Amino acid sequence: EAQVTQNPRYLITVTGKKLTVTCSQNMNHEYMSWYRQDPGLGLRQIYYSMNVEVTDKGDVPEGYKVSRKEKRNFPLILESPSPNQTSLYFCASSITGSGSGELFFGEGSRLTVL
Amino acid sequence: AQTVTQSQPEMSVQEAETVTLSCTYDTSENNYYLFWYKQPPSRQMILVIRQEAYKQQNATENRFSVNFQKAAKSFSLKISDSQLGDTAMYFCAHEEGAQKLVFGQGTRLTINP
Repeated sequence: EAQVTQNPRYLITVTGKKLTVTCSQNMNHEYMSWYRQDPGLGLRQIYYSMNVEVTDKGDVPEGYKVSRKEKRNFPLILESPSPNQTSLYFCASSITGSGSGELFFGEGSRLTVL
Repeated sequence: AQTVTQSQPEMSVQEAETVTLSCTYDTSENNYYLFWYKQPPSRQMILVIRQEAYKQQNATENRFSVNFQKAAKSFSLKISDSQLGDTAMYFCAHEEGAQKLVFGQGTRLTINP
């Protein structure tokens, strides 16, 4: 089954404790991206990757890091989480870019930073 | 930065009624894509419908159709014969280049029995 898998689905952590949200897709997609969803703001892009070893900032990259060492994986790293990073996070992938092919989303990761 | 605006934070209709969700966007591009996504309580993001800007014909998918007004930069979603399973948050999105989707704030739609 074609899917984007995120882990963990739910996480409660404390300020400053490094964490990684993993994302993996099994569709051989070149494009992958991370979004965060906040009430009243919709989804905003954090980082995206057009291919292996090619990553770039989205609209809200502060406080986040990513890497794309393999085509299928695109982890999101919070080096020192803060309460304003409490949010619902989505990983997404597409065969190329975000318009010519459908964007497939993971099921979301609910992160709470205390 | 390009923006997408959904002016209706919440809507509620009776089952079997028709409902229209509004969306306006801002862009300087001539060719682009527009999308409507549905997010049910499960949180999964589900693509409802997609419109290519260079196509004059409005996109339709079963009970879902759009009214795309390119000059007005308007992209509304019409749901006909609404069903209880249509209850969800709906997001309008505009493709910015090939790098990302810009999403609106969302409209929470409730279908009442």
